[in-house]
Amino acid sequence: DAGVTQSPTHLIKTRGQQVTLRCSPKSGHDTVSWYQQALGQGPQFIFQYYEEEERQRGNFPDRFSGHQFPNYSSELNVNALLLGDSALYLCASSLGPIQGYFYNEQFFGPGTRLTVL
Amino acid sequence: EDQVTQSPEALRLQEGESSSLNCSYTVSGLRGLFWYRQDPGKGPEFLFTLYSAGEEKEKERLKATLTKKESFLHITAPKPEDSATYLCAVQGGDSGNTPLVFGKGTRLSVIA
Repeated sequence: DAGVTQSPTHLIKTRGQQVTLRCSPKSGHDTVSWYQQALGQGPQFIFQYYEEEERQRGNFPDRFSGHQFPNYSSELNVNALLLGDSALYLCASSLGPIQGYFYNEQFFGPGTRLTVL
Repeated sequence: EDQVTQSPEALRLQEGESSSLNCSYTVSGLRGLFWYRQDPGKGPEFLFTLYSAGEEKEKERLKATLTKKESFLHITAPKPEDSATYLCAVQGGDSGNTPLVFGKGTRLSVIA
């Protein structure tokens, strides 16, 4: 059973550049959430995608945007990179709503380590 | 605003020395409390979900319990391979979809 996969594993960018991170959900899952984890901190929620639409968004600026494709895979885009964007970016997948409720038993990928110089 | 506080920040145990990690939470209508294990540089690995006060779940040397204000992760006779950061997260709210809120984690080191 394929788990959540993310690419690339590591990425080094300079300030002002743009980056795209990719995620494929666990087999059978149709909902993808993205998190940012700074060193020594817990993951911070960025946004969630279901049925190719952004369903929830955390406290992140518009520089952070995303997309979900018909096969449920997802991309996270960050524009105008800042030094403070350096972090581990995590993708988590889960099942879509049951009777209108999202049960967030989420399974995480290995993450993409982004370094902004 | 939902909040999660984990303590201690770091814990060092001798192999076989049992202990507990604490997760205190403030949430508007708990829908679920989640425990994850995270190894350095890797994604969190799902351990348990608890839904209501009084619920307990076990997996090998780990046992998670839940009250109305906090959850404990009990580690019995730990081994060096249990060394990791343990994260607690809550999902709350009355709406159909609210994101997980994570604590900062407890960094556990088990010394042989």
